[in-house]
Amino acid sequence: EAQVTQNPRYLITVTGKKLTVTCSQNMNHEYMSWYRQDPGLGLRQIYYSMNVEVTDKGDVPEGYKVSRKEKRNFPLILESPSPNQTSLYFCASSFSLGRKETQYFGPGTRLLVL
Amino acid sequence: AQSVTQLDSQVPVFEEAPVELRCNYSSSVSVYLFWYVQYPNQGLQLLLKYLSGSTLVKGINGFEAEFNKSQTSFHLRKPSVHISDTAEYFCAVSTGGGNKLTFGTGTQLKVEL
Repeated sequence: EAQVTQNPRYLITVTGKKLTVTCSQNMNHEYMSWYRQDPGLGLRQIYYSMNVEVTDKGDVPEGYKVSRKEKRNFPLILESPSPNQTSLYFCASSFSLGRKETQYFGPGTRLLVL
Repeated sequence: AQSVTQLDSQVPVFEEAPVELRCNYSSSVSVYLFWYVQYPNQGLQLLLKYLSGSTLVKGINGFEAEFNKSQTSFHLRKPSVHISDTAEYFCAVSTGGGNKLTFGTGTQLKVEL
């Protein structure tokens, strides 16, 4: 079954304690992205990756890091979380061949930073 | 840069009534357009997408959308809604390449009996 998985699904942490949210896809997609969802703001892209070792900033990259060492994995790293990073996070992977574009989203990770 | 405007943050409607959720976009290049649905406490599910060809796109669960290039709109419609359609709906635009979707702020559809 084609899917994007994220772990953990729920996380409560404290300010300054480094954390990593993992994302994995089994569809051999080149593109992967991280989004955060906040009430009234919709989803905003944090970072994206076009392939292994190729990443770039999205619209709201401050306070986040990513890496893409393998095609299937795209972890999101918060080196020093702050309360304004409390949000719902989605990982997505996509396949783009010409005009046949498909995006798949993970189930989401709800993060609370105290 | 592209942007998406969803004009209605909430749309209440009675069951079996028709509904239209509005979406307008802005882009200087050709776009791909998407509608996603998010049920309570769940992730995003693709409802339908416009990539090229016919401007009327049919999706899952009886939804359809029409791409109007002159009005830069991609409104979502359903002729008869069901209670189970209660969810948040997001319009999104991409300029291709699979790397970036720009989302609207969402429309909460609430279907009442």
